[in-house]
Amino acid sequence: DVKVTQSSRYLVKRTGEKVFLECVQDMDHENMFWYRQDPGLGLRLIYFSYDVKMKEKGDIPEGYSVSREKKERFSLILESASTNQTSMYLCASRPPGGDTQYFGPGTRLTVL
Amino acid sequence: GNSVTQMEGPVTLSEEAFLTINCTYTATGYPSLFWYVQYPGEGLQLLLKATKADDKGSNKGFEATYRKETTSFHLEKGSVQVSDSAVYFCALVGYNFNKFYFGSGTKLNVKP
Repeated sequence: DVKVTQSSRYLVKRTGEKVFLECVQDMDHENMFWYRQDPGLGLRLIYFSYDVKMKEKGDIPEGYSVSREKKERFSLILESASTNQTSMYLCASRPPGGDTQYFGPGTRLTVL
Repeated sequence: GNSVTQMEGPVTLSEEAFLTINCTYTATGYPSLFWYVQYPGEGLQLLLKATKADDKGSNKGFEATYRKETTSFHLEKGSVQVSDSAVYFCALVGYNFNKFYFGSGTKLNVKP
């Protein structure tokens, strides 16, 4: 079974803090993704990575950056957290040549 | 461009009722189509998928048929259970498999 884990299920941060969300997959997948999920808006793609040190912007990259130093780990960084970044963050990975994304359990981030 | 539209919820049904959640899509080319399910407090899990016209995906009693002529992928189940209460997302992915397009989600409540 594919396993995608995220470092925290719940996180509370203050405005202006630097926030790191970590995602690890154990299936040697090349492609990894970060989404945010908000009520009524579904899932929106923030960034994705198709290889180590490679990244591409998704639909809503503003205010976020990412890091992919190792194949199994994809980090989402909020350089200076703001209240409008309060959301559920979902990480996903996809095997090479496959069309299915596999999701982690999500991190619910609250920025006060 | 690509997009997915699914019926708004919440949908409330009694146990053993018949379920339909409508999903229509707009896409260039020949996308793969998916239904994901999100149980309370969890990430998204793949429920079923179909990769070409007239394919039927099925899992756990749920079914959906890829209808190219009506650009639809409606989710059905003959007899729902309380344990089916969750949010259901319809999604498509284009030829390069990188960009998933999700619907806004439909919440299903099943009452005993």
